Amino acid sequence: GAGVSQTPSNKVTEKGKYVELRCDPISGHTALYWYRQSLGQGPEFLIYFQGTGAADDSGLPNDRFFAVRPEGSVSTLKIQRTERGDSAVYLCASSLDPATLRNEQFFGPGTRLTVL
Amino acid sequence: AQSVTQPDIHITVSEGASLELRCNYSYGATPYLFWYVQSPGQGLQLLLKYFSGDTLVQGIKGFEAEFKRSQSSFNLRKPSVHWSDAAEYFCAVVPYSSASKIIFGSGTRLSIRP
Repeated sequence: GAGVSQTPSNKVTEKGKYVELRCDPISGHTALYWYRQSLGQGPEFLIYFQGTGAADDSGLPNDRFFAVRPEGSVSTLKIQRTERGDSAVYLCASSLDPATLRNEQFFGPGTRLTVL
Repeated sequence: AQSVTQPDIHITVSEGASLELRCNYSYGATPYLFWYVQSPGQGLQLLLKYFSGDTLVQGIKGFEAEFKRSQSSFNLRKPSVHWSDAAEYFCAVVPYSSASKIIFGSGTRLSIRP
């Protein structure tokens, strides 16, 4: 399909480990977003890319979280020294034109991260 | 403080009955307003959106929402629900000052009684 894809769909890791979560946006979408959805909550904004650069990273909870999008397409969310509180579903979305939210954000199915 | 409130955590309605899910927002200026649906194992799907103009907005799957500025509300409605409507529903806003982040409510889980 031509939707947003995320890998892996599930990731189980141990406290203190490093993880990478991948997002493949819809082809041609210049804007890419990461959200985190904890159990029983709505998604929470983490970071937004316009092209290769992070235009807004105000939602990253601390410096253990980092995201890159080196070629303006695929993005990787990286979490260092994982903690049990990082357990959540991590959602990725993409849109055509970030300048206005009139362009819909299309969401991927998410990666469920469990930190033991 | 800026916020999006969905006061109902869980609602159960009978199949064929009407539905209204509540949403209130608290922002200085009228934000852009959205409703999303999330089914088990599915990604978030946009049902409808309001930017300006007609305060009654039509969406997909027979849903509609009405923006009421005086009440800071954007309630979602459907005249007759189907069993396939069982899902989690999120009200969301984009503050007028922001071009990027969507702020989501905590969601309302809808169950359908046969």
